[in-house]
Amino acid sequence: EAGVAQSPRYKIIEKRQSVAFWCNPISGHATLYWYQQILGQGPKLLIQFQNNGVVDDSQLPKDRFSAERLKGVDSTLKIQPAKLEDSAVYLCASSSPTVTDTQYFGPGTRLTVL
Amino acid sequence: DAKTTQPNSMESNEEEPVHLPCNHSTISGTDYIHWYRQLPSQGPEYVIHGLTSNVNNRMASLAIAEDRKSSTLILHRATLRDAAVYYCILDGTASKLTFGTGTRLQVTL
Repeated sequence: EAGVAQSPRYKIIEKRQSVAFWCNPISGHATLYWYQQILGQGPKLLIQFQNNGVVDDSQLPKDRFSAERLKGVDSTLKIQPAKLEDSAVYLCASSSPTVTDTQYFGPGTRLTVL
Repeated sequence: DAKTTQPNSMESNEEEPVHLPCNHSTISGTDYIHWYRQLPSQGPEYVIHGLTSNVNNRMASLAIAEDRKSSTLILHRATLRDAAVYYCILDGTASKLTFGTGTRLQVTL
């Protein structure tokens, strides 16, 4: 079974530029998550989708971050404009609805904002 | 969300057992105890979970205290590939993981 795919793996941009990350979840997984992981910290949930609907985006900085999951499969996360503090690893995860919803993570995209 | 407390770091010798503790004194009756680990430059991966009874799988064992206020992840024979950050997470809403800073496990020869 293929895992969660993310691209690109690395991205370097200058502040005020825009950037987009792509995620392809495990086939059949209805729930998709985007996390932000700042160096030295645990991942922090940004947004959770159930199929193509948003379940939780309470920690998404909506003035600059946006995410979509068209057709309930792939997802993109966009930052516009980027700030220095957005430098982090952006992780995508997916899960299939069960009692405990084990999440499967992709390798992440490391973003550096200069 | 109920909070967990883990040591910042631990060390182990290769091929010896490792016991990683987690305190969760405010756990509620419906909270599952999850463990994930994150190897260097990778996303987190699921290790094990439990509710009340001890659990075993191919990766590890989970020992849960009778009062459920603490638990211990047991790696029976640590290898260099087990060097990672281990996260203990309580999940009462069946889909929302709140990660702390975890325990960084170092394994030496």
